[in-house]
Amino acid sequence: DAGVTQSPTHLIKTRGQQVTLRCSPKSGHDTVSWYQQALGQGPQFIFQYYEEEERQRGNFPDRFSGHQFPNYSSELNVNALLLGDSALYLCASSIRSGATYNEQFFGPGTRLTVL
Amino acid sequence: AQSVTQLDSHVSVSEGTPVLLRCNYSSSYSPSLFWYVQHPNKGLQLLLKYTSAATLVKGINGFEAEFKKSETSFHLTKPSAHMSDAAEYFCVVSDRMAFSGTASKLTFGTGTRLQVTL
Repeated sequence: DAGVTQSPTHLIKTRGQQVTLRCSPKSGHDTVSWYQQALGQGPQFIFQYYEEEERQRGNFPDRFSGHQFPNYSSELNVNALLLGDSALYLCASSIRSGATYNEQFFGPGTRLTVL
Repeated sequence: AQSVTQLDSHVSVSEGTPVLLRCNYSSSYSPSLFWYVQHPNKGLQLLLKYTSAATLVKGINGFEAEFKKSETSFHLTKPSAHMSDAAEYFCVVSDRMAFSGTASKLTFGTGTRLQVTL
């Protein structure tokens, strides 16, 4: 089992550019959540996708958008990049079921640097 | 709104001595609480979770945590530290969803860096 995978590992962009990050969930998982982890901080929830729709959203501007594909993989898009968008972007996958809580499994992250 | 406060940004212990990482939480609903560990250049790994069952929760690698509602605390402990325990630890809270099954958003604390010395 490959676990959660993310690409690319590292990315360098300049202000104003657009970026797309990709995530493949753990086998059998159908829900993907994205988090932003700034240096020295805890991860912050961006949004969550299930059945190809955004189900929850954190306190992030509309410059942050996403997509989920029929195979459950997901993309995170950020437009008009700012220096403050530099961070580690984490993807987490889980499975929707009747259980009260379903563990979220995290990928290794994509390190985005905005110059 | 839900939040967690990790009371120490950095904790240093000697190998073989006990570990205590402190966490207080705030939640409007009956919370689920977790501890995650993040080793350098590795993904977040779940250490343990509390989801309204036993208040003393045992996790991996000898870690455990006790949910104390009266103190709104969920401190992480380990009887004897090992060099491999050196990492960043995050206390996390998640409010129960109105309907079960959907993964709730996780709210992370700012982290506690654990240093283990010889």
